[in-house]
Amino acid sequence: SQQGEEDPQALSIQEGENATMNCSYKTSINNLQWYRQNSGRGLVHLILIRSNEREKHSGRLRVTLDTSKKSSSLLITASRAADTASYFCATVAGYSSASKIIFGSGTRLSIRP
Amino acid sequence: GAVVSQHPSRVICKSGTSVKIECRSLDFQATTMFWYRQFPKQSLMLMATSNEGSKATYEQGVEKDKFLINHASLTLSTLTVTSAHPEDSSFYICSALGQGILGANVLTFGAGSRLTVL
Repeated sequence: SQQGEEDPQALSIQEGENATMNCSYKTSINNLQWYRQNSGRGLVHLILIRSNEREKHSGRLRVTLDTSKKSSSLLITASRAADTASYFCATVAGYSSASKIIFGSGTRLSIRP
Repeated sequence: GAVVSQHPSRVICKSGTSVKIECRSLDFQATTMFWYRQFPKQSLMLMATSNEGSKATYEQGVEKDKFLINHASLTLSTLTVTSAHPEDSSFYICSALGQGILGANVLTFGAGSRLTVL
């Protein structure tokens, strides 16, 4: 079963607007990661936030983590058409190299030109 | 950066045949690789964890005799779908475990293999 649930499942916004996606999870985590998937392709790692961090930035990406609520959000500012993709959160529960990385249900983001 | 090559990207086969998918880490050693299955517009479902030199660990509900995994070297893991049937048609994605910032586990994904069983 999936560890994370994401909302919204689908999001369509105008180019230039900000896009916010949320992820909730159930168990304790070591870190939480966000990945992007273009249609029919593999996933690309975007950003990682550790359980002792609350906010992280990378370019136009901003990730927050609230471990008390077991939730995270991904904000993409000043969206571009090329940001159209599916975005997945992934949680890592353990600390060993064999720790499973479990993916959320994903948000399909469409940017309208 | 780390690159994972997955081959073939697309394969069409007849029902009853077996199909092998390869996953290679090109510029790093991957002691652990993961195999996922993805249905259209859905998330990735972890099928198994492939460990170099030992047996794969399968998730509950995944038939190990149906989906054979071999991780014979530090750079290659293979998934063989045996006696494929139309319900096995899916998008299969492999990933290799690399070391991200400060030792955190970050996955590098292959581009995926779309299997269609006629």
